[in-house]
Amino acid sequence: GAVVSQHPSRVICKSGTSVKIECRSLDFQATTMFWYRQFPKQSLMLMATSNEGSKATYEQGVEKDKFLINHASLTLSTLTVTSAHPEDSSFYICSARDVAGGTQYFGPGTRLLVL
Amino acid sequence: DQQVKQNSPSLSVQEGRISILNCDYTNSMFDYFLWYKKYPAEGPTFLISISSIKDKNEDGRFTVFLNKSAKHLSLHIVPSQPGDSAVYFCAGVTRLDTGRRALTFGSGTRLQVQP
Repeated sequence: GAVVSQHPSRVICKSGTSVKIECRSLDFQATTMFWYRQFPKQSLMLMATSNEGSKATYEQGVEKDKFLINHASLTLSTLTVTSAHPEDSSFYICSARDVAGGTQYFGPGTRLLVL
Repeated sequence: DQQVKQNSPSLSVQEGRISILNCDYTNSMFDYFLWYKKYPAEGPTFLISISSIKDKNEDGRFTVFLNKSAKHLSLHIVPSQPGDSAVYFCAGVTRLDTGRRALTFGSGTRLQVQP
């Protein structure tokens, strides 16, 4: 089956630093990747939709300069949390949609803790 | 405005019995719906989907029913097993523009299957 990986799975960083999270589709090509954030005991919140080779579309309330998304290839999208603050601590999940169909495959998530 | 609602935050059933998870939506533009299962600290796992033009889709122990007039869908799990204990999210999928789609998640229902 389709597999989506995320790296790192867990990261702890100091306030003010930037953190990059990678999302890879391992056995299929993904023209579209999605980035979600989940707060404890809350639903997944869509942050942005990225298409390979073009700028990401950010959801209302999500700062594009804060959460930089790059979708440089059909198998890789990156999310960079710039100048991270403790309130950015969360569980970040990516998903990828293959070129053939509409089903999204989710990555295992990355837990970010900003001290 | 919550376009997708899961009004029951939790549900407990006995092993072997049927689990029924409900989801209501307000957006008539959803093309199809997805159900995901999520264990703690993991990304969601796709379970089953249903097109907005169908009223039922079945896959093994999982059946999803869609009532468009009531804007209601439900996931039936029968027989329920302890390993089914997880948080279940329903999501509506809309087409942003050609080739791009977005998911809108409900808040999730925590299912506990008692042995």
